[in-house]
Amino acid sequence: VMTQSPDSLAVSLGERATINCKSSRSVLSSSNNRNYLAWYQQKPGQPPKALISWASTRESGVPDRFSGSGSGTDFTLTISSLQAEDVAVYYCQQYYGAPVTFGQGTRLEIK
Amino acid sequence: EVQLVASGGGLVQPGGSLRLSCASSGMTFSDYWMTWFRQAPGKRLEWVASIKQDGSKIDYVDSVKGRFTISRDNAKSSLYLQMNSLRPEDTAVYYCGSGAGWYVNLWGRGTLVTVSS
Repeated sequence: VMTQSPDSLAVSLGERATINCKSSRSVLSSSNNRNYLAWYQQKPGQPPKALISWASTRESGVPDRFSGSGSGTDFTLTISSLQAEDVAVYYCQQYYGAPVTFGQGTRLEIK
Repeated sequence: EVQLVASGGGLVQPGGSLRLSCASSGMTFSDYWMTWFRQAPGKRLEWVASIKQDGSKIDYVDSVKGRFTISRDNAKSSLYLQMNSLRPEDTAVYYCGSGAGWYVNLWGRGTLVTVSS
């Protein structure tokens, strides 16, 4: 089970936004020392967009204001300086194995 | 442009069947694991099924086992989801995605499936 906090968040433009994700079991593989944890951004009426894989690796084209951290069971997505286009719902996902599971989502808004 | 486009959704009665398709373009389809996800209105994303590049490994979420079948045709660069014995709780937007293993880095536009009498 993946649990995100908070469920919703309002941040001023240019300020930092932090979203947390906790897994009920470790997603760190002992064989390759990699965390099977991803972050996605979903805007209304659109499919999700992949932001980060392996807990901290940004996808190509994702602005560097997005960063991921954490290991094992606790992870964080940080947006260092919120832009208007970052308004969306953010999901964490573990892909350590089937069944792949998602957090409930965090709605990020402008304060 | 690399893209995935899902189609085949619609309104179906409980107990009915639908076949979803996902067409790819701009990518070497046979290089990627393919996955179906769904999202019920106002709900979190849910993984449905994944299939390895050559079809040799397939996984399903428990709630669809025995009712849904994922398949692919690499020659047609297409992914499919045969959905039988549909239930109201299967109502959702269905998305297809591609990636490495169970990680999906490209999502396609979804197709809406509504199961209702």
